[in-house]
Amino acid sequence: NAGVTQTPKFQVLKTGQSMTLQCAQDMNHNSMYWYRQDPGMGLRLIYYSASEGTTDKGEVPNGYNVSRLNKREFSLRLESAAPSQTSVYFCASSAIAGADYEQYFGPGTRLTVT
Amino acid sequence: KNQVEQSPQSLIILEGKNCTLQCNYTVSPFSNLRWYKQDTGRGPVSLTIMTFSENTKSNGRYTATLDADTKQSSLHITASQLSDSASYICVVSDRGSTLGRLYFGRGTQLTVWP
Repeated sequence: NAGVTQTPKFQVLKTGQSMTLQCAQDMNHNSMYWYRQDPGMGLRLIYYSASEGTTDKGEVPNGYNVSRLNKREFSLRLESAAPSQTSVYFCASSAIAGADYEQYFGPGTRLTVT
Repeated sequence: KNQVEQSPQSLIILEGKNCTLQCNYTVSPFSNLRWYKQDTGRGPVSLTIMTFSENTKSNGRYTATLDADTKQSSLHITASQLSDSASYICVVSDRGSTLGRLYFGRGTQLTVWP
C-alpha cells in the first residue's frame, strides 16, 4: 500500500498565482488533514475533513481552501499565493477524527512563493 | 495556553551512544502523547503513543516515558545508529474538542556521527 501520497513534491510560485496541492490515501480512512511546517515551528493544522462531505477550519486557514473530492482525496488550494505561504505542506489521514486515532502523514510538498 | 516544548533543540552524538530527548507540555485536558520521527524530506512517522495511565512504552531501541503529574515526557534512544539521524517531534492531544486537537513541539534535531 502507498499510504498517503502527495503531489507535487516541489513547487515554485510567483506572488498572486494559484495552485492546488493534491493528496490521496489508500487506507480507507474517514478523516484527512492539511498541515504546514515552517522552520523553527511545530506543524500547524490548516483544514481538516472529519468525513467525506465535511470540511472545517484548523488553526491557520486564511488564504487557503480545501475540497474533499471523495473518501480518498483531499485537496488544498491557494487562490492567490503570498510569500508568507512559503512552507512545507503535509497531508495526513486517520481512520476516524479524534485524539485516540493515529494520523499517517504523506511525504510533503515543498512550496516556495517568490 | 496549550504548548509543547522540547529540548534540546539539537543534539549530536556518536554512533552507539545513548541519548534522551525531553518534552514538557501544558496541554489540558490531556488525552495522549506521541513521539514522531521525521527524516529529512519526509513526513513524520509515529514511534510511540501513551495515554494518561501509561508510564513507559518501548518500540525497539526507542523508549518513551510519561509523567502525567509533572507533564513531562522523554524519549530514550539506545545504541544509536546513523539511521537515527532525524527530527523527533513530541505531539500532545487534548480532549477539549471533538477533533482532539494535536499540539506539535518544534522537534529535536538529532545527528548521529560515525
